[in-house]
Amino acid sequence: DTGVSQNPRHKITKRGQNVTFRCDPISEHNRLYWYRQTLGQGPEFLTYFQNEAQLEKSRLLSDRFSAERPKGSFSTLEIQRTEQGDSAMYLCASSLVGTPAYNEQFFGPGTRLTVL
Amino acid sequence: AQSVSQHNHHVILSEAASLELGCNYSYGGTVNLFWYVQYPGQHLQLLLKYFSGDPLVKGIKGFEAEFIKSKFSFNLRKPSVQWSDTAEYFCAVSSEYGQNFVFGPGTRLSVLP
Repeated sequence: DTGVSQNPRHKITKRGQNVTFRCDPISEHNRLYWYRQTLGQGPEFLTYFQNEAQLEKSRLLSDRFSAERPKGSFSTLEIQRTEQGDSAMYLCASSLVGTPAYNEQFFGPGTRLTVL
Repeated sequence: AQSVSQHNHHVILSEAASLELGCNYSYGGTVNLFWYVQYPGQHLQLLLKYFSGDPLVKGIKGFEAEFIKSKFSFNLRKPSVQWSDTAEYFCAVSSEYGQNFVFGPGTRLSVLP
């Protein structure tokens, strides 16, 4: 396990379809974050988990967005009824709470979503 | 609410020039500060971070940043840039325990050979 992995790397979908992205964090990391990044902008925080508990979800962009981390390991981000404005790069990051570097996040390569 | 601003959208330098990228944040409590870099086609990587202690922090590849609490600033510096430093640079701030993580809009650095 050399880092955070995300699948798929690219997703093209039609407007109105549902999509799901997966993130596998660094294996011992207990905190997992989701971000959205649009062209020319910095990552925008969406939600995060500590183990399986979702500690912040008020920044999810709408009720069409949901995330899970059922066993405290991998996580999924689902977007229902996609819209063209959802086209972006979706990033996942993980960190290890309980160490001096707990707040250092390691990022995955992202999933690029294109909604036609 | 936390926010981060970065002074420059795009900086163009020649190799060996000195670099300073500005970052200011707004937050009313204890913060942790970060600079991340994104090389073309690669994912975000941590350059350096400030949690506490010495306000001058050193990171990888010769980068350093200075936390000036009174100015709410965390500027990134490098005395002599290389072509390989061409990338997008993001300043970020989080609350003390990482509950809220906010990135700036980024500064694109182009280094001319």
